[in-house]
Amino acid sequence: ETGVTQSPTHLIKTRGQQVTLRCSSQSGHNTVSWYQQALGQGPQFIFQYYREEENGRGNFPPRFSGLQFPNYSSELNVNALELDDSALYLCASSLAALAGGYEQYFGPGTRLTVT
Amino acid sequence: ELKVEQNPLFLSMQEGKNYTIYCNYSTTSDRLYWYRQDPGKSLESLFVLLSNGAVKQEGRLMASLDTKARLSTLHITAAVHDLSATYFCAVGNFNKFYFGSGTKLNVKP
Repeated sequence: ETGVTQSPTHLIKTRGQQVTLRCSSQSGHNTVSWYQQALGQGPQFIFQYYREEENGRGNFPPRFSGLQFPNYSSELNVNALELDDSALYLCASSLAALAGGYEQYFGPGTRLTVT
Repeated sequence: ELKVEQNPLFLSMQEGKNYTIYCNYSTTSDRLYWYRQDPGKSLESLFVLLSNGAVKQEGRLMASLDTKARLSTLHITAAVHDLSATYFCAVGNFNKFYFGSGTKLNVKP
């Protein structure tokens, strides 16, 4: 059984650019959630995908978008990057029905720096 | 929007001592999570609590949930240096998740 993986590990982008972050779910999991964790803060929920559909969203603007693929891997896309987007981006997978799942397993994260 | 408050935010304690971290949340939730995060690392799941009165224990850590008071506690018994980390509680509400700000625990040898 493989755990949750994320790529890339680190990324440096310039303000105004676009970025795509990737996540592979733990084997057998059909739900992926994405979080933004600024330095010294708790993770902030961005959105959740269940069976390729967005299934819940936090207070993030539309320039944060996502996809989930048939194999349940996922992408987080951020357009028009701002300096405040610099953070650790975490994805978490779970096996869930529409209730939103129980235990989540987190990936190692992608550290995004916007300059 | 659901709010999750943890206290204390920082906790420095001696090995062998006991202490409790508190997690309050503002509206009804159907599940509560505790996580551990080491510096520069991801989140490690510690406990998932699903019902009022739920209590779970793993080693020196014990978590409980009181849904009526909207309160969860993480109790540390006879702390050891290896428990030094940041501990987060998180609340699930339908398909959204809300994290507290974290409690940074430093256990002095």
